[in-house]
Amino acid sequence: DIQMTQSPSTLSASVGDRVTITCRASQSISSWLAWYQQKPGKAPKLLIYKASSLESGVPSRFSGSGSGTEFTLTISSLQPDDFATYYCQQYNSYSPRTFGPGTKVEIK
Amino acid sequence: QLQLQESGPGLVKPSETLSLTCTVSGGSISSSSYYWGWIRQPPGKGLEWIGTIYYSGSTYYNPSLKSRVTISVDTSKNQFSLKLSSVTAADTAVYYCARVRGVYGPDDYWGQGTLVTVSS
Repeated sequence: DIQMTQSPSTLSASVGDRVTITCRASQSISSWLAWYQQKPGKAPKLLIYKASSLESGVPSRFSGSGSGTEFTLTISSLQPDDFATYYCQQYNSYSPRTFGPGTKVEIK
Repeated sequence: QLQLQESGPGLVKPSETLSLTCTVSGGSISSSSYYWGWIRQPPGKGLEWIGTIYYSGSTYYNPSLKSRVTISVDTSKNQFSLKLSSVTAADTAVYYCARVRGVYGPDDYWGQGTLVTVSS
């Protein structure tokens, strides 16, 4: 199995801050990585796919980068609507598709 | 606008079989461009992929659940279904259905999720 890790597990930030979340894979997944945002009681929402492609309708303050085993999600200027939990997911293979443990972005 | 809706019992007894259906509206489950999947999330925890199916019936399952999982598709009803047998309290979770963008792609549309509790 490909293991996914995320850091930090919790992040305290203020509106307007630049925020970076890191996701690491236990082996190379090329660029087959997605980022999701989840708010309490809601389904995850796709933000980024193929490591750096912005999903349609997602604000441009979200960006993704990386390849191989190390990836980042950046929010250029944190907005009140962005306080949520963020998950990375590898879809390089079906053995199995795996998610990171999540990063909770909290209000500082 | 594509919509997915999970349905099924919210309470299942230990050792019994959990059965859920996902109804797809606003698009065809028989599209050659998409696969369809199930993901679950225990209360307060992270996301776990359960399995994925193509309209033709080909499936991929999480090895950790493979012995207990069956995913099927009914193209006439635009639905796909999940069966998880021999459930325990550890299977208590919110179960989501989702559309998968291609055989190797992200989950781009999700249902709202349904909480299934395993308890006697």
